[in-house]
Amino acid sequence: EAGVAQSPRYKIIEKRQSVAFWCNPISGHATLYWYQQILGQGPKLLIQFQNNGVVDDSQLPKDRFSAERLKGVDSTLKIQPAKLEDSAVYLCASSYQGARGTDTQYFGPGTRLTVL
Amino acid sequence: SQQGEEDPQALSIQEGENATMNCSYKTSINNLQWYRQNSGRGLVHLILIRSNEREKHSGRLRVTLDTSKKSSSLLITASRAADTASYFCATDPYNQGGKLIFGQGTELSVKP
Repeated sequence: EAGVAQSPRYKIIEKRQSVAFWCNPISGHATLYWYQQILGQGPKLLIQFQNNGVVDDSQLPKDRFSAERLKGVDSTLKIQPAKLEDSAVYLCASSYQGARGTDTQYFGPGTRLTVL
Repeated sequence: SQQGEEDPQALSIQEGENATMNCSYKTSINNLQWYRQNSGRGLVHLILIRSNEREKHSGRLRVTLDTSKKSSSLLITASRAADTASYFCATDPYNQGGKLIFGQGTELSVKP
């Protein structure tokens, strides 16, 4: 089966600019996650969707980050305006059910964002 | 905040040797998972151990879980150069909807 797809793979922007990332989860997976991974650290969950509803966005900096999952399939994550500290790899993952736990998450290749 | 703490932060071994990585966490969990990340790439799921399990095997991987000590270990036997990667433990905390909390990772280098 096809894995989690993300685009773009790399993005370089100036601070205060806007950027958007796209994720297409594995077909049939109800739960979609966005993680931020800063260099040298483990991934940190930003937002979790169950179908097209938000389950957890407690660590999403809502003043500048937004995410949506239209029709419960693809998702976009936007940063507006970007700050230097947003430089990181943004990982998308999906799982079959997710909210019930004991579910494997499958990760995409990530988008490496550099903010200058 | 990161729940898992892993040690060592970096480990360098020769091919054929065993590698052991440890993970400690703070709260009650449904399960604990180990992931591998090759340089510049996404994470690959290795193994999941549920809170009522104590040991699990998958190929050359052996995972143990001690819920009384809130700790886990990952053993890779007969390591290969291709095992060179970062390894992360991730906990699925009880009653938090399936979200994963990752540790800082152990960077493993296997020299041929």
